[in-house]
Amino acid sequence: GAVVSQHPSRVICKSGTSVKIECRSLDFQATTMFWYRQFPKQSLMLMATSNEGSKATYEQGVEKDKFLINHASLTLSTLTVTSAHPEDSSFYICSVLRGSSYNEQFFGPGTRLTVL
Amino acid sequence: GQNIDQPTEMTATEGAIVQINCTYQTSGFNGLFWYQQHAGEAPTFLSYNVLDGLEEKGRFSSFLSRSKGYSYLLLKELQMKDSASYLCAPMDSNYQLIWGAGTKLIIKP
Repeated sequence: GAVVSQHPSRVICKSGTSVKIECRSLDFQATTMFWYRQFPKQSLMLMATSNEGSKATYEQGVEKDKFLINHASLTLSTLTVTSAHPEDSSFYICSVLRGSSYNEQFFGPGTRLTVL
Repeated sequence: GQNIDQPTEMTATEGAIVQINCTYQTSGFNGLFWYQQHAGEAPTFLSYNVLDGLEEKGRFSSFLSRSKGYSYLLLKELQMKDSASYLCAPMDSNYQLIWGAGTKLIIKP
């Protein structure tokens, strides 16, 4: 399977600060990456679809000004949680689509965000 | 609407067999995935079914019936490390994965 990395794996920050999470596809170029959020004991929730070179497509209810996504290259997408609040504390997971085949989606290891 | 129905929790014994059922309703269908997710970790891919029938892969097998909106994941020769949540995720007509809360599988010695 493909290798997808996320950095950092864990982050603790104060309320009001911004946090950047990186998602990298290590062994192939990815036009499309997805960002998910998962609260404890709940299902994954798709936040946005990130396409290289264009604006991300956000799911309903996800604030695009709060969750900034930048897919600047074919191997890197970043999610910035701006002015984080305790309710933003969650597990953030990216996934990468290999080619145009939607049955080849690989997940990163996730980033645990805790906002104090 | 779109929804997934899986048991919340199941318990099985080490060495035994367990079947985790999933029924789904989606707008269109482009296959169904099963993922394993250990606590605090991201999901890992187990299987993908797009045609009806059984796909076998080692100790794990997955079955799909598109007409019934039904799938199951069969785990054989259970090991303690199989304790995890198992997520059934069909893909809709927009190629978007639809996620439920998954089934937490507890393996007892």
